[in-house]
Amino acid sequence: DTEVTQTPKHLVMGMTNKKSLKCEQHMGHRAMYWYKQKAKKPPELMFVYSYEKLSINESVPSRFSPECPNSSLLNLHLHALQPEDSALYLCASSLNRVQPQHFGDGTRLSIL
Amino acid sequence: GQQLNQSPQSMFIQEGEDVSMNCTSSSIFNTWLWYKQDPGEGPVLLIALYKAGELTSNGRLTAQFGITRKDSFLNISASIPSDVGIYFCAGSQGAQKLVFGQGTRLTINP
Repeated sequence: DTEVTQTPKHLVMGMTNKKSLKCEQHMGHRAMYWYKQKAKKPPELMFVYSYEKLSINESVPSRFSPECPNSSLLNLHLHALQPEDSALYLCASSLNRVQPQHFGDGTRLSIL
Repeated sequence: GQQLNQSPQSMFIQEGEDVSMNCTSSSIFNTWLWYKQDPGEGPVLLIALYKAGELTSNGRLTAQFGITRKDSFLNISASIPSDVGIYFCAGSQGAQKLVFGQGTRLTINP
C-alpha cells in the first residue's frame, strides 16, 4: 500500500464535464507533484508544488488546473478535456525538493 | 532536453536467473533513483543513490551510482515471478524535476 492516496481510482468523463482528482499524504512532505503517464511510457511531469506554492508548471494546457489547499492535499481540476488527455494521472510527494519522490497508485482517466 | 538512455527495453528470462539493466546520460546527476511499476499501480521506489560510486542493496536488488555521475545500473539476483514489471531509472539534479528513462519491461518464464 502506498502512503500517497489518490481518488478516484478510475474516472470516465465527457469532454464538457468538470471533475477533480484528489491526492493526499500525511508523511509531512512539503513538495507535491502531478504527473501524466501514457501506456508503456515513463511519467511526464505536469506541476510541482513546494510549500503549497506552485513552483513548476511544465507548460500544461489551462484545461488542467492544480490546487494545493494545504500541505497534505493536492487537487487537479479538469475541464473541457480532450480524448488525448486519457491517461494515468499520478501524484507524488517528497520531503523536500532533493529527497526521493513517492508515488500514489494514480487515477485512470478516460475521456469520451 | 535531458534524456536518460535505459537498456534493455525488455527482457525475457527464466525464473532464478540474474537480471541487469542500466541507464546512461550525457548529463551529470546528483541523485539516481530506481522505481518498479506494476500494472494498475504507481511507481514504487526501490533504491535511492546519492553519491558517485555508491553501491546500495535492497534484498536481492543492488544498484550503483556511476563514478562519472552519468550512469547507474540495477541488478536483480535469483529472479522470482513477482519481479515482473517495468523498471524505471530516474535522475535528479536537485531541482525537483526527475528525468526518467524509458523503462525496462521484465518478463519471467516460470
